[in-house]
Amino acid sequence: TQTVSQSDAHVTVFEGDSVELRCNYSYGGSIYLSWYIQHHGHGLQFLLKYYSGNPVVQGVNGFEAEFSKSDSSFHLRKASVHWSDSAVYFCAVSGSGGSNYKLTFGKGTLLTVTP
Amino acid sequence: EAAVTQSPRNKVAVTGGKVTLSCNQTNNHNNMYWYRQDTGHGLRLIHYSYGAGSTEKGDIPDGYKASRPSQENFSLILELATPSQTSVYFCASGAFKNSDYTFGSGTRLLVI
Repeated sequence: TQTVSQSDAHVTVFEGDSVELRCNYSYGGSIYLSWYIQHHGHGLQFLLKYYSGNPVVQGVNGFEAEFSKSDSSFHLRKASVHWSDSAVYFCAVSGSGGSNYKLTFGKGTLLTVTP
Repeated sequence: EAAVTQSPRNKVAVTGGKVTLSCNQTNNHNNMYWYRQDTGHGLRLIHYSYGAGSTEKGDIPDGYKASRPSQENFSLILELATPSQTSVYFCASGAFKNSDYTFGSGTRLLVI
């Protein structure tokens, strides 16, 4: 069974700042990792995912995430945030065997970008 | 554009009543999912389906049933609604195992 932890419930930054949203996971086998964004009052939208290859993956709107097997992490980063990036960000994990392919979500990190 | 549509967007139900939440997808995806979202819990999987005619229990299935009569439609049924089922419910679809999900806009359910 896979688990995912997002240690920061709320992160506040100024517009133009860089930001890193943290995600740690636990799973014993091959793993798929992804990030989703949820703007207030809406459903979740896919941002990016990693399965294998280059540990740094690029997503939409300048987001990227880096996989680290040694740290069991998949942190999301953006070099310069915009006010429209204010949203809740969810890290998700799924495994490759049996019923483990279903997405398990973290509790989310609320990102507030202050003008 | 491929989409997942949920209905109703908002619902008020009485305790003990039956509630049906509907989900329709135009993505032609095999897999569909029902999650509930609560503050402090993130999203938790209730039921899912591999295709028409199949339903599987997720992590928190108690008090819920699901129905997948066709590739496009996936319903969540609360036979005897309770106040603890007050939540925001999201439906999602995915093409295959480990593909990214497309989510609906959610149904906000209040059980009084």
